[in-house]
Amino acid sequence: QSALTQPRSVSGSPGQSVTISCTGTSSDVGFSIYVSWYQQNPGRAPKLMIYDVDKRPSGVPDRFSGSKSGNTASLTISGLQADDEADFYCASYAGYSVIFGGGTKLTVL
Amino acid sequence: QVHLVESGGGLVRPGGSLRLSCTASGFTFSDYYMSWIRQAPGKGLEWVSLISSRSSTMYYADSVKGRFTISRDNAKRSLYLQLNSLRAEDTAMYYCARDPRANYGDYAFHIWGQGTMVTVSS
Repeated sequence: QSALTQPRSVSGSPGQSVTISCTGTSSDVGFSIYVSWYQQNPGRAPKLMIYDVDKRPSGVPDRFSGSKSGNTASLTISGLQADDEADFYCASYAGYSVIFGGGTKLTVL
Repeated sequence: QVHLVESGGGLVRPGGSLRLSCTASGFTFSDYYMSWIRQAPGKGLEWVSLISSRSSTMYYADSVKGRFTISRDNAKRSLYLQLNSLRAEDTAMYYCARDPRANYGDYAFHIWGQGTMVTVSS
């Protein structure tokens, strides 16, 4: 159960788009339709942003989108806003378990 | 209002035990898969365990297998995590979380509680 690989940090200016990658293996991201993304602000519980690769829960803006290609899933945030700044985590079902990525800190410049 | 409230955390010595509880409100608890996720201070998220809506399926992370036990009481709208043989590396905030969709396992975590802190130290 090794953690999924995410970049430690990404950054972008307001209005721009950023993409956060999440790389796993054929045993997790590559075979699973159950890939999810979470946003976490300091001292707060995480918030679900994307599930089942590309589904958005009610209330999540359509600026947030998910996709997957092979063993890599991606979260794209378009029209960056200052309050998007947070830590983002991916997760994937891995057969009898769930694995998280190490987390990516998004900085809005 | 959909709500999850954890309790039962605290300071425990290495080798000790603790039982965490999570009480649900605002939704039909018995229809949803539930999970425990933890986060060590300053670290990332780590999935701990999952239980299906009728308790027919229970999964555990390798790091807790054989030491932790997940259970639920649908009549009491409650989820539990029994923590035994605790180690320093189990020190973390423990969150309970609910799946996004009723009667289906998405293996994702939509509704989260505020967490309960477990500290393992002598």
